[in-house]
Amino acid sequence: QKEVEQNSGPLSVPEGAIASLNCTYSDRGSQSFFWYRQYSGKSPELIMSIYSNGDKEDGRFTAQLNKASQYVSLLIRDSQPSDSATYLCAVNIIRVTGGGNKLTFGTGTQLKVEL
Amino acid sequence: ETGVTQTPRHLVMGMTNKKSLKCEQHLGHNAMYWYKQSAKKPLELMFVYSLEERVENNSVPSRFSPECPNSSHLFLHLHTLQPEDSALYLCASSQELGWVAEAFFGQGTRLTVV
Repeated sequence: QKEVEQNSGPLSVPEGAIASLNCTYSDRGSQSFFWYRQYSGKSPELIMSIYSNGDKEDGRFTAQLNKASQYVSLLIRDSQPSDSATYLCAVNIIRVTGGGNKLTFGTGTQLKVEL
Repeated sequence: ETGVTQTPRHLVMGMTNKKSLKCEQHLGHNAMYWYKQSAKKPLELMFVYSLEERVENNSVPSRFSPECPNSSHLFLHLHTLQPEDSALYLCASSQELGWVAEAFFGQGTRLTVV
């Protein structure tokens, strides 16, 4: 079982629609959750973080976390062509010993927002 | 630009070559990282440095050798690589080790081993 699982896509949505990106994780000890956006040929960029169950909104982005189901999602409202990118889910396990926290990434979901 | 600069941006090397990747940050960060990103695979953490001291080596083959001469610079020395080592190599830095998720990434070096 993969530690962090995402559908690779591509997920295609029309401009103005809501894009829903999903991620599941296997380690119940995971404590914090992150979404990164990576444009083609560019480096990942942190866009959202969430630490407790429920929803967290930031502009057009909403992150949702359900620890019981080990599920985290990212909703993008009013999707724009500029949102077309690969979205990486990452989960963080805080380690008491060793080199800091362990951040584990999924393979990413490619989103295409079409005109 | 995120403040983390990687050179070169592209590198093609033969399996018998020796080359080095360079990463530089002037953000005043204390932690630096090397990641490998291969097609269809998750981003893999390779090495972690904190205040120039290596704190993590995630079972990376010895043909990859990191070096951190000071807190602003990080190198990845490469020798006798294999074609499966072709990937995007990303450097990142964060204020402290515990802030790994908030790390700033460089643009990466696209490495092709022939």
